[in-house]
Amino acid sequence: ETGVTQTPRHLVMGMTNKKSLKCEQHLGHNAMYWYKQSAKKPLELMFVYNFKEQTENNSVPSRFSPECPNSSHLFLHLHTLQPEDSALYLCASSQGAGGFDTQYFGPGTRLTVL
Amino acid sequence: SQQGEEDPQALSIQEGENATMNCSYKTSINNLQWYRQNSGRGLVHLILIRSNEREKHSGRLRVTLDTSKKSSSLLITASRAADTASYFCATTGPYNQGGKLIFGQGTELSVKP
Repeated sequence: ETGVTQTPRHLVMGMTNKKSLKCEQHLGHNAMYWYKQSAKKPLELMFVYNFKEQTENNSVPSRFSPECPNSSHLFLHLHTLQPEDSALYLCASSQGAGGFDTQYFGPGTRLTVL
Repeated sequence: SQQGEEDPQALSIQEGENATMNCSYKTSINNLQWYRQNSGRGLVHLILIRSNEREKHSGRLRVTLDTSKKSSSLLITASRAADTASYFCATTGPYNQGGKLIFGQGTELSVKP
């Protein structure tokens, strides 16, 4: 248990659906991240939030829309996804932003887009 | 790109043996981190080693860093079946480059009982 929770753990959705992924951290950290992990590819950083402000958008398509209402919660809103978006989506948090502090990861949401 | 590249991509050993995984990167770094991932789960942080450090230990784990060769190694001694997982190195660039954590593709370690 890393102190970072993600829901749901598994999600199957059609290309026309709208769904949201939720991440919550109980560590008092200031920075939160979304990563995408596809088979046979390195972990890809998607978004970074520091003190609720987005500081990084790694050229992510607009069909992925992040939301960070406070430093403890992070959402990823999904709409009109493509089958190639099927992947494990990981949330992480750290005390400070960037890679200068240890990042603590949630268990991930396994997303399948039909 | 400062992306780390792990070697080997897959490693299979017997319980009790040592496992060594290597990571190479391309540009200067602030730190290098090793993470472990059990199948389909989140990543767990193992060790962070800063650019001015050469070696760190944590239990059965030993990490070395050679900045002149831009490489790091992770040694797991007296391996156990429970060590079966994927191991990733990740590098962070200098402060003036924003400090993104960039992951490699990982080494899949299989420890047979």
